[in-house]
Amino acid sequence: QITLKESGPTLVKPTQTLTLTCTFSGFSLSTSGVGVGWIRQPPGKALEWLALIYWDDDKRYSPSLKSRLTITKDTSKNQVVLTMTNMDPVDTATYYCAHRGSAAVMDVWGQGTTVTVSS
Amino acid sequence: EIVLTQSPATLSLSPGERATLSCRASQSVSSSLAWYQQRPGQAPRLLIYDASTRATGIPARFSGSGSGADFTLTISSLEPEDFAVYYCQHRSNWPPEGFTFGPGTKVDIK
Repeated sequence: QITLKESGPTLVKPTQTLTLTCTFSGFSLSTSGVGVGWIRQPPGKALEWLALIYWDDDKRYSPSLKSRLTITKDTSKNQVVLTMTNMDPVDTATYYCAHRGSAAVMDVWGQGTTVTVSS
Repeated sequence: EIVLTQSPATLSLSPGERATLSCRASQSVSSSLAWYQQRPGQAPRLLIYDASTRATGIPARFSGSGSGADFTLTISSLEPEDFAVYYCQHRSNWPPEGFTFGPGTKVDIK
């Protein structure tokens, strides 16, 4: 059974850097075809894809946020970390991580973690 | 960049009725389209991928169709737990893989 769980601060100040960790089980991020992605959802709004890291350490980023995002993995710890720099109140959202399987879609999602950006 | 448009924004129906949700892409996406369900306070759940393939454990009342730029999610007979928001999503292979979500359709109880 695949599970993912997001963790990180619930409150950050404007201009700070956000660091979120996705801890997963039930799969290995060294298996060919596997990836872990990050998606966010501002309150009452739609989903927005942020980043994706593959088993081979290849990385993809949303073009609109690429300059602010970094995604890394620690295969031995079953973790994926997302950092987002220069946080702004508009970045207030629930942040989800998700498993990208062989069908190349986000087939299992974490419960999400809510981040508020406020001074 | 491909843009996904969903219609209607809100669909008000009664349990047992048929729901038909539309997703239109700004250009052809072949069959690279998925549908997700999001119930209030919950994470999204994958329903359909590759336009018409049901994900594991998804009831047969959910079906997807379409190709190119026009896609449909049909719920044949609404159950109480189906009242939720539905998102379509495209996965692009080129330029480097990325994901685009539509704005969502809310199915609420009439």
